[in-house]
Amino acid sequence: DAGVTQSPTHLIKTRGQQVTLRCSPKSGHDTVSWYQQALGQGPQFIFQYYEEEERQRGNFPDRFSGHQFPNYSSELNVNALLLGDSALYLCASSFVWPGAGELFFGEGSRLTVL
Amino acid sequence: DAKTTQPNSMESNEEEPVHLPCNHSTISGTDYIHWYRQLPSQGPEYVIHGLTSNVNNRMASLAIAEDRKSSTLILHRATLRDAAVYYCIPPDLQGAQKLVFGQGTRLTINP
Repeated sequence: DAGVTQSPTHLIKTRGQQVTLRCSPKSGHDTVSWYQQALGQGPQFIFQYYEEEERQRGNFPDRFSGHQFPNYSSELNVNALLLGDSALYLCASSFVWPGAGELFFGEGSRLTVL
Repeated sequence: DAKTTQPNSMESNEEEPVHLPCNHSTISGTDYIHWYRQLPSQGPEYVIHGLTSNVNNRMASLAIAEDRKSSTLILHRATLRDAAVYYCIPPDLQGAQKLVFGQGTRLTINP
C-alpha cells in the first residue's frame, strides 16, 4: 500500500516564476492538507482540501492556491515566487475525522527560489 | 489555537528510556493531544494521541496529567533511529484536522 507520494522531490525556480507541486494521498484517504516548512522551523498549515473544495486555510496569501481532483490527488500552486517561499512543502492525507486520528505525510517537495 | 511549550532539545543514551515533556496549559477539555516526530530528511510521522488517560502503542506511551495541562511522551528504550524532532500538537478546535506545529524538541540519542 503506497503512502503519500509527492512530486517533484526537488526543484529550483527564480523570483516571479510560478510552481506547481503534486500530491497523491494514501490509498483510501479523501482529505489532503498542505504545509510549508522553512528551514529549522515546524511545518505551517497552508490549506486543506476535501470533496474538491478548500475547507480551511492558514495565514498564507492568495498567491498560494490549490486544487483537488476527483481521485483525491491534489496540487499546490504558488504564483509570483518570492525568495521567502523557499521551503519544504509537505502534503498530508487523512480521512475526515470527528476530532482524532492521524495524518500521513509525504516526504515533501523542496523548493528553492533564487 | 491552544499553545504548547516543549524544551528545544534533549539528549539521551541508546537503550535508555526517554521522557519528552509538553505543557499545554490552555487546552480545552475536548482537545486530543497528538505527538508527531520528524526524522531527518523525512516528513512528520504520527506517534501517538490521547485525551484523558494514559495511552500505549508499539512506538511509545503517552502519560497525560490529571489536570490535562501537561503530557509526557515516553520512549521506553531509545534507539539511534529515534533521533528526531518531536512535536506535541494540540488539534484545531474547528475539527478540520489542522495541525499546529511548534518548534518541537530535537532529541539526540548517543550510542
